[in-house]
Amino acid sequence: ETGVTQSPTHLIKTRGQQVTLRCSSQSGHNTVSWYQQALGQGPQFIFQYYREEENGRGNFPPRFSGLQFPNYSSELNVNALELDDSALYLCASSLADSAPLHFGNGTRLTVT
Amino acid sequence: DQQVKQNSPSLSVQEGRISILNCDYTNSMFDYFLWYKKYPAEGPTFLISISSIKDKNEDGRFTVFLNKSAKHLSLHIVPSQPGDSAVYFCAASGNFGNEKLTFGTGTRLTIIP
Repeated sequence: ETGVTQSPTHLIKTRGQQVTLRCSSQSGHNTVSWYQQALGQGPQFIFQYYREEENGRGNFPPRFSGLQFPNYSSELNVNALELDDSALYLCASSLADSAPLHFGNGTRLTVT
Repeated sequence: DQQVKQNSPSLSVQEGRISILNCDYTNSMFDYFLWYKKYPAEGPTFLISISSIKDKNEDGRFTVFLNKSAKHLSLHIVPSQPGDSAVYFCAASGNFGNEKLTFGTGTRLTIIP
């Protein structure tokens, strides 16, 4: 059983640029969630996708958007990057109505 | 507004002794609680969970206690082992725990050999 994999592991971008982060869900899981973990903080919920539709969103602006593909892989897109977007971005997958979330190792994004 | 709080940023415990990590929450709509463990350069790993209809759940060395009236939960690790050294996050959800999770800020546990 393969786990949740994320790419890339590290990324450096400049303020104002756009970034796409990728995630492959754990085999058999049909729900994917994205979290942002700033330094010294706990992960914060960005949004969740179920069957390719957004199924809940946290307190993040519209420049954070996502996609879930038929094979349950997912992308997180962030436009107009700001310095405060520097964080660890975590992808998690699960079976709908079944705990718990299984997290990937994250993508460390640095915005300069 | 921090709805899930872990007030101890760090904790050091002697190997073999009991580790107790605490978590408080403010939102009475939460009814499912989880603990995750995180090593450096890895994602959080699920440890144990508890539904609000229970007050205790045990899995090997790990026990979670829930006090709904006090809006408080704790994780007990007995006996503590060096491999338990990690950051522990408390999380809460309004459902089975696979919907939006609200996390605390974490407690760094160090087990002293």
